[in-house]
Amino acid sequence: EIVLTQSPATLSLSPGERAILSCKTSQSVSSLLAWYQQKPGQAPRLVIYDASNRATGIPARFSGSGSGTDFTLTISSLEPEDFAVYYCLQRISWPLTFGGGARVEFK
Amino acid sequence: EVQLLESGGGLVQPGGSLRLSCAASGFTFSSSVMSWVRQAPGKGLEWVSTMDTTRGDKIFYADSVKGRFTISSDTSKNTLYLQMNGLRAEDTATYYCVKRMANWGFFDYWGQGTLVTVSS
Repeated sequence: EIVLTQSPATLSLSPGERAILSCKTSQSVSSLLAWYQQKPGQAPRLVIYDASNRATGIPARFSGSGSGTDFTLTISSLEPEDFAVYYCLQRISWPLTFGGGARVEFK
Repeated sequence: EVQLLESGGGLVQPGGSLRLSCAASGFTFSSSVMSWVRQAPGKGLEWVSTMDTTRGDKIFYADSVKGRFTISSDTSKNTLYLQMNGLRAEDTATYYCVKRMANWGFFDYWGQGTLVTVSS
């Protein structure tokens, strides 16, 4: 099983600041990694797929990078609606595994 | 517009059974790859099971549910199911029905979830 480790667990920032979230995998997943955003009481929403492709409707302030075992989700300038929990997910092998999540909270 | 509507959650005693349903619309369900993902209260996301609705032999389960849960679909009703037997307290979670992108891609559409509580 591929283990995904997200850091930091919590990021305390203000609107307008840059958020950088990390996801490290225990084995190479090539570029088969996605990022999801989840707000309280809502289902997750796809943000980035295949490491760097923005999903439909996702603003350009979201970007993803990385390959192999190290990945980054960057939110260039936080908007109030971006404060949420973010999960990474790999799909290169079964079982599909998620990271433990990273919370972006208001400072 | 893609819509996934889960139902069937509720309170069940340990060892009991429950069947979840997911009514799908807005895409060609009969040629899609569908999954169940769960989330325990206050916890992270856990993949549960995936199936290709066109091929009954392409079914995968997480080890935590293998032998207890069965995923299936009825393409005439555009509905995905999850039969859950031998339920345990640790199965308590919100269960999401999820559609995968083409060619076994990532999860792109999620239902609103249905809560399963296993408790005596």
